[in-house]
Amino acid sequence: GNSVTQMEGPVTLSEEAFLTINCTYTATGYPSLFWYVQYPGEGLQLLLKATKADDKGSNKGFEATYRKETTSFHLEKGSVQVSDSAVYFCALNTGGFKTIFGAGTRLFVKA
Amino acid sequence: GAVVSQHPSRVICKSGTSVKIECRSLDFQATTMFWYRQFPKQSLMLMATSNEGSKATYEQGVEKDKFLINHASLTLSTLTVTSAHPEDSSFYICSGRIASDTEAFFGQGTRLTVV
Repeated sequence: GNSVTQMEGPVTLSEEAFLTINCTYTATGYPSLFWYVQYPGEGLQLLLKATKADDKGSNKGFEATYRKETTSFHLEKGSVQVSDSAVYFCALNTGGFKTIFGAGTRLFVKA
Repeated sequence: GAVVSQHPSRVICKSGTSVKIECRSLDFQATTMFWYRQFPKQSLMLMATSNEGSKATYEQGVEKDKFLINHASLTLSTLTVTSAHPEDSSFYICSGRIASDTEAFFGQGTRLTVV
């Protein structure tokens, strides 16, 4: 079946550090891939997406590249800020309406 | 992006009472909406898929008589937690999608506390 695996958190970084959150997936067909962010007490917001192999999604300094050969969609940011502290969810959709989520990775950024 | 509005954002109710949570798609029509439950520091657990004009599809282990879902129009789905117990306390989130190959848009979530 379809699934998403992302690195366990929490991840704690100092401000301006480089961020990588790993995400790998298992899916039939050609899924669309997403990263969502959840700030404390709020719903999820779409951070970025990629719909086909080798696409790079980017937003607010975050980026992730759809790697079909490694079935990965790792999230990266060159310089994190305190305001980036949140929970990040990797997700996929294979063309049906259901979205499959990873377990989420909590990020803490210290000033 | 599209907007999904969820109301209320927080609710406290007494054990044994029922609580209704509304989820509205403000600028698109959602034939299908999803209801999730999120426990502290955990991922989203899909509870049910809400289909406009028909019965909801519940995930395994979710009590359909306890979590009543109504999707009476293309812009509104409601989740009613009936005879609430303290263990129903959780964060409930709804989402909708414009089409099957687009991203999901989420409501702000509802923090339910049953006392």
